[in-house]
Amino acid sequence: DIQMTQSPSSLSASVGDRVTITCRASQSITSYVNWYQQKPGKAPNLLIYAASSLQSGVPSRFSGRGSGTDFTLTISNLQPEDFATYFCQQSYSTPLTFGGGTKVEIK
Amino acid sequence: QVQLQESGPGLVKPSETLSLTCTVSGASISSYYWSWIRQPPGKGLEWIAYFYYSGNTNYNPSLKSRVTVSVDTSKNQFSLTLSSVTAADTAMYYCAIRAGSNWFDPWGQGTLVIVSS
Repeated sequence: DIQMTQSPSSLSASVGDRVTITCRASQSITSYVNWYQQKPGKAPNLLIYAASSLQSGVPSRFSGRGSGTDFTLTISNLQPEDFATYFCQQSYSTPLTFGGGTKVEIK
Repeated sequence: QVQLQESGPGLVKPSETLSLTCTVSGASISSYYWSWIRQPPGKGLEWIAYFYYSGNTNYNPSLKSRVTVSVDTSKNQFSLTLSSVTAADTAMYYCAIRAGSNWFDPWGQGTLVIVSS
């Protein structure tokens, strides 16, 4: 199975900050990584697919980069509604696996 | 706009079988691949299976021996059964569309299943 390791597991940031979350795969997954946002009590919501493609309706302050084993999700100009938990997911091979999550909290 | 809604018993006894249904609106069940994903309380996400209405099912090997998925095209629903449950199967269970190259969008709101006697 491909392991997805996210870092940090949590971070504190202020409104307006630029935040970067990292996901590392245990083997090369080319660009087969997706990112989700999950708010408390809600289902995850797709933000980025195929490493860098922005899902329709997602604000442009969200961006994704990377290939191979190292990937990043960046939130520029952090907004109050962005405080949530973020998960990466590899879609290179089954079993499909997720990172452990990064909780973005208000400083 | 496709919407998914999970339903099923919120409490299941250990060693029994968990059965959940996902009702799809806004699209035909034959239009997409579908998936089940779960999330234990306070923990991360675990993919369970994805499948097409006519077959071509892919299970997570860690659960394969206990999981069955099925489709009811007449009701535009699909189902999950998980046998011989233990407390480790306590989780929020989500149904979702498996889109594109194996990402998930959209998701249902989820249904919490607690395994306890």
